[in-house]
Amino acid sequence: AQSVTQPDIHITVSEGASLELRCNYSYGATPYLFWYVQSPGQGLQLLLKYFSGDTLVQGIKGFEAEFKRSQSSFNLRKPSVHWSDAAEYFCAVGSSGGGADGLTFGKGTHLIIQP
Amino acid sequence: KAGVTQTPRYLIKTRGQQVTLSCSPISGHRSVSWYQQTPGQGLQFLFEYFSETQRNKGNFPGRFSGRQFSNSRSEMNVSTLELGDSALYLCASNVALNSNQPQHFGDGTRLSIL
Repeated sequence: AQSVTQPDIHITVSEGASLELRCNYSYGATPYLFWYVQSPGQGLQLLLKYFSGDTLVQGIKGFEAEFKRSQSSFNLRKPSVHWSDAAEYFCAVGSSGGGADGLTFGKGTHLIIQP
Repeated sequence: KAGVTQTPRYLIKTRGQQVTLSCSPISGHRSVSWYQQTPGQGLQFLFEYFSETQRNKGNFPGRFSGRQFSNSRSEMNVSTLELGDSALYLCASNVALNSNQPQHFGDGTRLSIL
């Protein structure tokens, strides 16, 4: 069965500092990997996706993620965070864009930005 | 292009009642998936509809059901509501079943059970 682990429940970062959110997955085949962001009271917004090809993917809002098959990881990074980045971040895995069994999500990482 | 629209945004029900939630996908999208989000269990896949047929189903009891109409709009129904059904219910649409395009999510319906 597929699974996603986001080891950090909360992360606090100073504004302007760099950010890395960790994501490890378990999947039997080549996965489709996603990072979504959720602001309070909102749905999920797609930040970036990996299907195949270049293992370093660029997303919106200055985010990027690197797929490392050997480590079963898909960590999200941003060189300099802004206060507006405070939100809940979810990593997800599937067999396609939606997945035959839907997407499997991690529990999320709550990002707090310190002034 | 309008995004995924979910109605209503908020609902309050009591135990034992039933509820219907609605989802209008992005124009041209034919696949609709439903997810339940709770603080304890996180985001869990409920089911996916395509061409008016349920294609995939998550591990939820039969009280949770859905349907899809010919215009791809979808409804989700929960019968005999329990306190544990309090959650944010998210709908996501995609162009097709098992598409290599990502899903797009609505803002959800917040269901509270008293």
